[in-house]
Amino acid sequence: DAGVTQSPTHLIKTRGQQVTLRCSPKSGHDTVSWYQQALGQGPQFIFQYYEEEERQRGNFPDRFSGHQFPNYSSELNVNALLLGDSALYLCASSSGLVLTGELFFGEGSRLTVL
Amino acid sequence: EDQVTQSPEALRLQEGESSSLNCSYTVSGLRGLFWYRQDPGKGPEFLFTLYSAGEEKEKERLKATLTKKESFLHITAPKPEDSATYLCALTHFGNEKLTFGTGTRLTIIP
Repeated sequence: DAGVTQSPTHLIKTRGQQVTLRCSPKSGHDTVSWYQQALGQGPQFIFQYYEEEERQRGNFPDRFSGHQFPNYSSELNVNALLLGDSALYLCASSSGLVLTGELFFGEGSRLTVL
Repeated sequence: EDQVTQSPEALRLQEGESSSLNCSYTVSGLRGLFWYRQDPGKGPEFLFTLYSAGEEKEKERLKATLTKKESFLHITAPKPEDSATYLCALTHFGNEKLTFGTGTRLTIIP
């Protein structure tokens, strides 16, 4: 049973560029959430997708956008990259809109902005 | 606004030396209190979810407990492989995001 898978695992970009990160949820899950984790900090919620719609959003600017596909996979897009966007980006999946149980995380995509 | 504070920031123990990690929280209408383990450069690994004060859950050398203001993660006779950062997080009714603390970095010395 495959867990949450993310790609790419590592990437390096320069300021002003755009990046797309991808996530496939755990089998049987239909809800995907994205988190940003800076070094030495806990993960910070970016947004949640369910039924191909953004359902909840954290305190992140519009430069952060996402998409969920009919097969429940998801993308996170970040435009006009800043140095402060360097972080581990985590995808998490669960079942249903309401988080009542376990939330499973992928291994993350490490983004470095130079 | 939900707040989660974890202490200590870092903890070094000898192998076999039991201890506890603390997670203090402020929330209106707690739905769930989560514990995760995170190894360097990896995603968080789910350990427990607690839902109401007085609840306890165990897994191998770990036991999590919950009161109305805090949660404890008790580690009994730890081994070097228990070394990791332990994260506490919560969610409240009407909110589907997890609010995380900054974690406790645990090191078990052989």
